[in-house]
Amino acid sequence: QLHLQESGPGLVKPSETLSLTCTVSGGSISSSAYYWGWVRQSPGKGLEWIGTMYYSETTYYNPSLKSRVTIFVDTSKNQFSLWLNSVTAADTAVYYCARLPPYDYRTGYYFDYWGQGTLVTVSS
Amino acid sequence: DIQMTQSPSSLSASVGDRVTITCRASQSISNYLSWYQHKPGKAPKLLIYAASTLQDGVPSRFSGSGSGTTFTLTISSLQPEDFATYYCQQSYNTPRGGTFGQGTKVEIK
Repeated sequence: QLHLQESGPGLVKPSETLSLTCTVSGGSISSSAYYWGWVRQSPGKGLEWIGTMYYSETTYYNPSLKSRVTIFVDTSKNQFSLWLNSVTAADTAVYYCARLPPYDYRTGYYFDYWGQGTLVTVSS
Repeated sequence: DIQMTQSPSSLSASVGDRVTITCRASQSISNYLSWYQHKPGKAPKLLIYAASTLQDGVPSRFSGSGSGTTFTLTISSLQPEDFATYYCQQSYNTPRGGTFGQGTKVEIK
């Protein structure tokens, strides 16, 4: 059974960089054709896609966050990570990592496995 | 951008009730629509993808339908474990990601 677990600081100061890691167990992050992504949920709000990467390190970002986001992989540790720079209070959220199955033109993209999420608060 | 609008934003229902949630897209998204169940403190759970395909292991009381701009998630007989918030997600114009609806909270009546 695939398991994803987010980790990282729960408190980040404004203007600094948020850094989170997702550790994948029960499967290889290099498995062919799967994508790996980040989604967040701000307090009282809905879900927002942040970005997605392929194990080859090809990345795709939400245009609204693209200038501040970096997602990268460490295949030796079976982990992928999120950096979000120049954070503000608006970036306070629960951050989830998730897997996307290989693309099929009949189904589009969706998230089939998720981590439990980690709360990151931006505050001085 | 494609906007996803769910209705209602919340509902109260009793165990055994039939529940229907609607998700409307601001433009056609073919069948690139998924549904998720989310409980506080837990990982979101994929219920349905491609508008109507039930994810493995999801009870058959959940079903999805629709194409184009209007989609529905139906729970045929609400169970105690189904009280949660439900989200739709489209990936038509955001490949390898998606846009989510604002959520529908299903509460106990």
